[in-house]
Formats: sequence, structure tokens, C-alpha cells
Amino acid sequence: KAGVTQTPRYLIKTRGQQVTLSCSPISGHRSVSWYQQTPGQGLQFLFEYFSETQRNKGNFPGRFSGRQFSNSRSEMNVSTLELGDSALYLCASSGTRESQETQYFGPGTRLLVL
Amino acid sequence: GQQLNQSPQSMFIQEGEDVSMNCTSSSIFNTWLWYKQEPGEGPVLLIALYKAGELTSNGRLTAQFGITRKDSFLNISASIPSDVGIYFCAGIPPGAGNNRKLIWGLGTSLAVNP
Repeated sequence: KAGVTQTPRYLIKTRGQQVTLSCSPISGHRSVSWYQQTPGQGLQFLFEYFSETQRNKGNFPGRFSGRQFSNSRSEMNVSTLELGDSALYLCASSGTRESQETQYFGPGTRLLVL
Repeated sequence: GQQLNQSPQSMFIQEGEDVSMNCTSSSIFNTWLWYKQEPGEGPVLLIALYKAGELTSNGRLTAQFGITRKDSFLNISASIPSDVGIYFCAGIPPGAGNNRKLIWGLGTSLAVNP
């Protein structure tokens, strides 16, 4: 089975711009979660989608949004980028119905905001 | 958000040495997970623990689910250079439904001197 894929792998944007990141889960997995990873804060949970519905959300501002398509692929959008949004954004998929059970991560998208 | 207390924060050891790290919390968990992240990659699941007292091995790695359900330990025996990376613990708290979230530690950075 192919693993979780994320595109693009690297991205450079400037403050005020918006960005869309994409994640394709492992085939058959219906749950997709997004995380922000920074050196001092570790992995911070953004949100989780299951069957095209957001069913879990972290404590991030409304500038961070996401969606999931019928094929379970997911996108994450960040509007009005700030310097502090520079981070590694990780997507993880899970094959179980239970929220947040054992997850499999993609390689991440490294976003640099200038 | 809530985080697990993971220690030590970093370790620098000689090849062949054994390694121990742990994760603690003030509240109980139903599941403990240990992940390893290598540079430029997403975390990879190493071991999952589902029952208090459970001891599980994966090659040279052994992890235990603490009896109190508030802690977990990971041991690596006879370390080798490819063990280098950041080791994360994560826990799933009890609770029905889909509002449970993985709670993460900040990671233990391991360096191995050949």
C-alpha cells in the first residue's frame, strides 16, 4: 500500500498571502488529521476530517481551515499568512472509525513565510 | 493545549549503549503510542500500547504502559547510528465518541556517536 502523500513538500510564501496544502491518505483510510510542528511547540493538532466532515478541532485561529473530498483526500488552507505560520505541516491518516486512533503520517510540507 | 511530559529532552550516547525515555501525565490514558521522526520525514509509529501493564517489543525497542495509566516508557537496547531521530510519545485519553484527541509529548532527541 502506498503511504500518505503530501504536496508540495516545500513552500515559500510572503506575509499576507494564502496557501493550500494537499494530503492523500493511505488507500481505504477515511480519517485525515492535520498537525503543525515547530521546534519549540512539538506537534499541535489542527483538525481532523472523517467522511468529508470535520469532527475534531484544535485551538487554531479561523485563518486555518480544511476540507475533505469524497475520495478522502484533504486540503488545508491558511489565509493571511503570518511569520509565525512557518512550520512543518503534517498530515496523518487513520483506518479506524475511532477518532485519533493509530495514525500514519506523511512526510510533511515545510512552509516558510517571509 | 494539553501536553505530555516527556524526558529527557535530548540524549547523546555512544553506539551500543541502551537508552531509556519516558512520558508522564497527570491524567490517565487508554492508549500510549511511541513514534520516531527522522529529519525531513513525518513521525513513524513504533509501538502501540492498549492495556495498563502491557509490555511490547519491536526488535530492539521495548515499551511499557504504566500500571497507573499515567505514564509510559520506551527502551532501546544496543543503540546503532540509525536510531538517531526524535522520539515522540502520544496518548489517547478515555472518553466515548469522536472528540478524543491525541495528546503529544515534545519529543526526545537522540544522537548516537558511532
